[in-house]
Amino acid sequence: KNQVEQSPQSLIILEGKNCTLQCNYTVSPFSNLRWYKQDTGRGPVSLTIMTFSENTKSNGRYTATLDADTKQSSLHITASQLSDSASYICVVSSGGSYIPTFGRGTSLIVHP
Amino acid sequence: EPEVTQTPSHQVTQMGQEVILRCVPISNHLYFYWYRQILGQKVEFLVSFYNNEISEKSEIFDDQFSVERPDGSNFTLKIRSTKLEDSAMYFCASTGSLYEQYFGPGTRLTVT
Repeated sequence: KNQVEQSPQSLIILEGKNCTLQCNYTVSPFSNLRWYKQDTGRGPVSLTIMTFSENTKSNGRYTATLDADTKQSSLHITASQLSDSASYICVVSSGGSYIPTFGRGTSLIVHP
Repeated sequence: EPEVTQTPSHQVTQMGQEVILRCVPISNHLYFYWYRQILGQKVEFLVSFYNNEISEKSEIFDDQFSVERPDGSNFTLKIRSTKLEDSAMYFCASTGSLYEQYFGPGTRLTVT
């Protein structure tokens, strides 16, 4: 069964600090991995998308990495801001079937 | 910037009633999706739609659910006879490029 596990479940950091969120998946065959930011009560917003051949992708202060061999991805947030407080969701899609597998998300709280 | 819109933002209905949730995808997108998120849980895929027909659907998308693109702009999700467990946020999304999905703000459905 395809699964996406994220850790930690929640994280509290001080404004200006960096943090790294983890995503492990068992989706096979792999097609692409996406990181989303979801503010409370809002729809997810895409941060990065990576296919099999990509191992790093940046979007401003967000940098995602992908290790397709170990089936792991991370999302690194640099110089956190209060507005980074949100849920960060890892989504993996398999080849041949669109149906994506969502992780439960990491809830990030940035304190001043 | 173009965006996916959804109406209503909040719908309250009684168990057994039919509801129609509406979405206006981004105008030049060709792939459309519905997801749901039960409070406190992860986002779940319901259905994808392309070229006026369902391309993929999950186990959740049973005979009580249907989708339609009644005209060139709207994309609807109908639940024929709502149950208490249908209470959730329902997100519509559309895709232009291969992987980039744009989510709407969601409709909160409350079944009483």
